[in-house]
Amino acid sequence: NAGVTQTPKFRILKIGQSMTLQCTQDMNHNYMYWYRQDPGMGLKLIYYSVGAGITDKGEVPNGYNVSRSTTEDFPLRLELAAPSQTSVYFCASSWGYGYTFGSGTRLTVV
Amino acid sequence: KNEVEQSPQNLTAQEGEFITINCSYSVGISALHWLQQHPGGGIVSLFMLSSGKKKHGRLIATINIQEKHSSLHITASHPRDSAVYICAVRLNYGGATNKLIFGTGTLLAVQP
Repeated sequence: NAGVTQTPKFRILKIGQSMTLQCTQDMNHNYMYWYRQDPGMGLKLIYYSVGAGITDKGEVPNGYNVSRSTTEDFPLRLELAAPSQTSVYFCASSWGYGYTFGSGTRLTVV
Repeated sequence: KNEVEQSPQNLTAQEGEFITINCSYSVGISALHWLQQHPGGGIVSLFMLSSGKKKHGRLIATINIQEKHSSLHITASHPRDSAVYICAVRLNYGGATNKLIFGTGTLLAVQP
């Protein structure tokens, strides 16, 4: 089992560029999440999904979009990158109360 | 004030020492998670607790629901235990979403 797979691991973007962070899980979990982790702060929820075709905003959704066309995939889209989006991004999935995290994507916007 | 508070923020220990990291929360919860993150690494779930105590190897986690407090203990600490330890809670009114609220983490350094 691969668990939760995130790609890429690192990325540098220029202001105004767009990109998609990929997240795939092979555990058939219904719930999936995108979090961002900033220095000295707890992880903050960007978007979440409770199943294919269903997504909702978290605490910090501005500047991001998501889709959930399949149970396995939950990509995060940045349309117009801004320096404030420099962060480490974690995808996670859950079933019941258990949680599995991806290995993270370190994004720098310059 | 954060809904989940951890202490200490930073901790340096000598190899072999007994370590305690604390987590206090101010909201009603249905479960509490302890997570581990090595520098530059991903996040690994260590424990999920809704009551009592759990043990895995040298790690012990306890929770007191009435006092809204949890502790993570590491016995016979080792340099490979050096990591950030994160407390996260699932709200008991989280409904079907299973969302978590995270503490800011405790950075542990174990010196040989």
